Amino acid sequence: GAVVSQHPSRVICKSGTSVKIECRSLDFQATTMFWYRQFPKKSLMLMATSNEGSKATYEQGVEKDKFLINHASLTLSTLTVTSAHPEDSSFYICSARLATQETQYFGPGTRLLVL
Amino acid sequence: GEDVEQSLFLSVREGDSSVINCTYTDSSSTYLYWYKQEPGAGLQLLTYIFSNMDMKQDQRLTVLLNKKDKHLSLRIADTQTGDSAIYFCASTFSGGYNKLIFGAGTRLAVHP
Repeated sequence: GAVVSQHPSRVICKSGTSVKIECRSLDFQATTMFWYRQFPKKSLMLMATSNEGSKATYEQGVEKDKFLINHASLTLSTLTVTSAHPEDSSFYICSARLATQETQYFGPGTRLLVL
Repeated sequence: GEDVEQSLFLSVREGDSSVINCTYTDSSSTYLYWYKQEPGAGLQLLTYIFSNMDMKQDQRLTVLLNKKDKHLSLRIADTQTGDSAIYFCASTFSGGYNKLIFGAGTRLAVHP
């Protein structure tokens, strides 16, 4: 139980284009999903917290207009990197939390490379 | 701000026990977690401990919590080559949203 998937697992795009990453909770309903960014050999940095049906809460220093988050259902959250640039290249990981628990379950991550 | 610190690297021989240490600053953390990350993969939840517990054992894994010193450890008994990975300690942030504060990760290398 508590499986989280992400799609795509890897994406390469040209500078200036937008990229959408999906995060799904496969066997449970997630009222809250989290989006993290991980730089090589570094820890995870929380970007935003997403609650179903409401606006995401962004961490300080994260541009909400650049990283658009939508959490339209209890099993799906999307992160759209708008007008991507090479410095946005990173490993993006989502997690989901059951409504009745604090534990977060993580997806396998999406590696984004912007050329 | 709140912080979680870990040693960055640990090398052990196959069959020995591994002990990964972590310290945290938020005394109000309710849960403390250990996650495992293999190369190119997401995080796998290994185990967690509630803040009112001192110890939790789950097969080869033993978690010890010293709340007074804000120190958490993960012991892996009979370490195997498949245990080679990065291990992240994380604490819940009492400031809201059930945020997790992660340590930098400890890279565990298991050699024959």
